[in-house]
Amino acid sequence: KAGVTQTPRYLIKTRGQQVTLSCSPISGHRSVSWYQQTPGQGLQFLFEYFSETQRNKGNFPGRFSGRQFSNSRSEMNVSTLELGDSALYLCASSSGLAGVQETQYFGPGTRLLVL
Amino acid sequence: EDKVVQSPLSLVVHEGDTVTLNCSYEVTNFRSLLWYKQEKKAPTFLFMLTSSGIEKKSGRLSSILDKKELFSILNITATQTGDSAVYLCAVEAIGSQGNLIFGKGTKLSVKP
Repeated sequence: KAGVTQTPRYLIKTRGQQVTLSCSPISGHRSVSWYQQTPGQGLQFLFEYFSETQRNKGNFPGRFSGRQFSNSRSEMNVSTLELGDSALYLCASSSGLAGVQETQYFGPGTRLLVL
Repeated sequence: EDKVVQSPLSLVVHEGDTVTLNCSYEVTNFRSLLWYKQEKKAPTFLFMLTSSGIEKKSGRLSSILDKKELFSILNITATQTGDSAVYLCAVEAIGSQGNLIFGKGTKLSVKP
């Protein structure tokens, strides 16, 4: 089974621009979670999508948004980029089924640098 | 507020040493605790713990959960240089599926 894939792997943007990151989950997985990882804050939860619906959301400003498509692929968008948005963005997938205790499988991440 | 605290933040040992990494948590409606290993790329899954007192083992790694005292430990015996990584502890709450709350991690460096 192929793992979680993320594109692009690296990205350089300037302040004020917007960016879209993509995540393809493991085949059969319907839940996709997004995380931001920085040296200072560690891994922080952004949001989780299941069957095209946002089920959970972390404490990030509205500049951070996402969506999920019918094939479970997910995109994350950050508008009006700030220097502090420089980070490794990780997505993780799981079946997402209620009552099922399972781990999340992480993708390799997209490293975003905002200049 | 739910939180996960790991200690120590960093650790330097020599090959062959045994290490114990700690993770304490405060979370409403605890569901599970997970350990991941991260080596400059995607975190890779090590263990999921849901019940107190049941040790999970995988080779030289083992982990146990204490739900009364709200902590978990990850033990690595006979460490090797390949064990050098950041070890992350995360908890998931009931009703917050897909939302893992992570600690800051323990950076382990194993010297030859």
